Amino acid sequence: GEDVEQSLFLSVREGDSSVINCTYTDSSSTYLYWYKQEPGAGLQLLTYIFSNMDMKQDQRLTVLLNKKDKHLSLRIADTQTGDSAIYFCAETPPPINTNAGKSTFGDGTTLTVKP
Amino acid sequence: DGGITQSPKYLFRKEGQNVTLSCEQNLNHDAMYWYRQDPGQGLRLIYYSQIVNDFQKGDIAEGYSVSREKKESFPLTVTSAQKNPTAFYLCASSRNPPDNQPQHFGDGTRLSIL
Repeated sequence: GEDVEQSLFLSVREGDSSVINCTYTDSSSTYLYWYKQEPGAGLQLLTYIFSNMDMKQDQRLTVLLNKKDKHLSLRIADTQTGDSAIYFCAETPPPINTNAGKSTFGDGTTLTVKP
Repeated sequence: DGGITQSPKYLFRKEGQNVTLSCEQNLNHDAMYWYRQDPGQGLRLIYYSQIVNDFQKGDIAEGYSVSREKKESFPLTVTSAQKNPTAFYLCASSRNPPDNQPQHFGDGTRLSIL
């Protein structure tokens, strides 16, 4: 079945850039998402990228997609202490797939931002 | 404002007891999902429903049951057959394909054993 993998931990200094990486196995994925989870809360959608794009920028967030290598990354510029959270990568199969609508989530990357 | 509401925020279960977690959404989404999250781990899918009166098992359905009698509501029952129920439970909803399908999450219910 589909699989999504992320490194578990990342630590950066305030003001630096953070890069969180994700690899996935389903080459037919249509949308790829990044979610943020703060302690004791649900997941919040940060951004997404459609599979026919290779880059998307949204303020401090940049998503890069290498479809050939099935690699997705999330770059956070000027990282702040408020960015400390768990970040989940997720992929969704295409509409014609029997699993359409079901997202597969990675295990999450815990980002720690040090002052 | 549209959103997805889970209740209660904290729940305690005694041995042999069934408990029900509530999930309500007013986003007019057709699909709803239940996930379990253990400390330091990702999300594991328990059940999902893409339309009223229909639902499918996820990866870890044993010891859980659901119903989908209304579009807005997708309650999860943790039965006494679930021997290790302590976890953080997340409910989500989304539009069905072919629309862009990001999932909207509730704030979760933390279940513990007394």
